Amino acid sequence: AQSVTQPDIHITVSEGASLELRCNYSYGATPYLFWYVQSPGQGLQLLLKYFSGDTLVQGIKGFEAEFKRSQSSFNLRKPSVHWSDAAEYFCALIDSNYQLIWGAGTKLIIKP
Amino acid sequence: NAGVTQTPKFQVLKTGQSMTLQCAQDMNHEYMSWYRQDPGMGLRLIHYSVGAGITDQGEVPNGYNVSRSTTEDFPLRLLSAAPSQTSVYFCASTLYRGQVAFFGQGTRLTVV
Repeated sequence: AQSVTQPDIHITVSEGASLELRCNYSYGATPYLFWYVQSPGQGLQLLLKYFSGDTLVQGIKGFEAEFKRSQSSFNLRKPSVHWSDAAEYFCALIDSNYQLIWGAGTKLIIKP
Repeated sequence: NAGVTQTPKFQVLKTGQSMTLQCAQDMNHEYMSWYRQDPGMGLRLIHYSVGAGITDQGEVPNGYNVSRSTTEDFPLRLLSAAPSQTSVYFCASTLYRGQVAFFGQGTRLTVV
């Protein structure tokens, strides 16, 4: 079955520290993968996507993600977080019917 | 550029009442969809449309109806609201299936 797993429900990081949010997927072929961010009370905004090619993908707001086929992972990283990064982050893939399959989300909390 | 516009932002309904959540996009996107977001469950697809006059069910369609008479509009109807429909609802549009989705700001619905 096609699925996306985000193992961490909450992550707390100090401002200025590095960040890695985990995303694992189950899919039979090379997936199309996305990371979206949802700020409080807002809709979802695309951070970055992976369709093919270079496995290290750069996104907006200084985020990047690396596609690792051998580990079925697409982890999101940022070298230094800012208080404005506090939000919920969703990993998603497009399935064989062109539907988005979503992870449950990881809520990022920033400590001052 | 408005993108995807959802109305209302907040709504409280009594059990058994009906209402329509409005969604409009001005990007000439063919594909539109409705999701509900519940804590710890990510986003679940309710209904979607691949173009004007064509709609189909998603993962959780029961209790909801949709129509797509124009490319721009994709309203979601609750015929007889139930407390289980308390959720945050998001409309999204995509140029074509399998491409990046743009989201509205969401509608927070409470059924009492």
